[in-house]
Amino acid sequence: TQLLEQSPQFLSIQEGENLTVYCNSSSVFSSLQWYRQEPGEGPVLLVTVVTGGEVKKLKRLTFQFGDARKDSSLHITAAQPGDTGLYLCAGAPTGNMLTFGGGTRLMVKP
Amino acid sequence: GAVVSQHPSRVICKSGTSVKIECRSLDFQATTMFWYRQFPKQSLMLMATSNEGSKATYEQGVEKDKFLINHASLTLSTLTVTSAHPEDSSFYICSASGAMNTEAFFGQGTRLTVV
Repeated sequence: TQLLEQSPQFLSIQEGENLTVYCNSSSVFSSLQWYRQEPGEGPVLLVTVVTGGEVKKLKRLTFQFGDARKDSSLHITAAQPGDTGLYLCAGAPTGNMLTFGGGTRLMVKP
Repeated sequence: GAVVSQHPSRVICKSGTSVKIECRSLDFQATTMFWYRQFPKQSLMLMATSNEGSKATYEQGVEKDKFLINHASLTLSTLTVTSAHPEDSSFYICSASGAMNTEAFFGQGTRLTVV
């Protein structure tokens, strides 16, 4: 069982649709990060959430950290083909020891 | 964000040979470096964690004699795949974090193909 359960694992949508990716755990995290990875490249950090209940926005992306700091969500509004990629959540329950969720592979069709 | 450079980006080697992958933090001191392996369409699998100047801590199931990790300075860590076999073919990614930061920044990854 993974420490961070990410869902859905795969999502294929049309351009313009909205979507939400979830990252859940039974553990409390001091912080959670969201990364996006494109094929053949390393993950790129999108955001870090630290405070329970925190909401951060990055253009069309909205990130939320659960009140209990056990879960997080990523919502994309009006998805575009350029949003296609592997989205990873990662948490650090202790210091720098990042643990990754299983990833959500998003495909946005034009 | 901070910059982590990984080299080479692609390497093809023959079975039985060794391959060294470098991971450099360009604009910060990396107290801790992480090495991951990623199979196609899967998430990142942590192989080992290394702190500057000390031996790496390997995850369960990762052979330390096969995957040699050196973290001799605060800006450089290397992963050497020894006596490579085709099953070692994979995408290897490093990440680095500083002493006061729980965020990790990733290198570009290395695609290793063993023929």
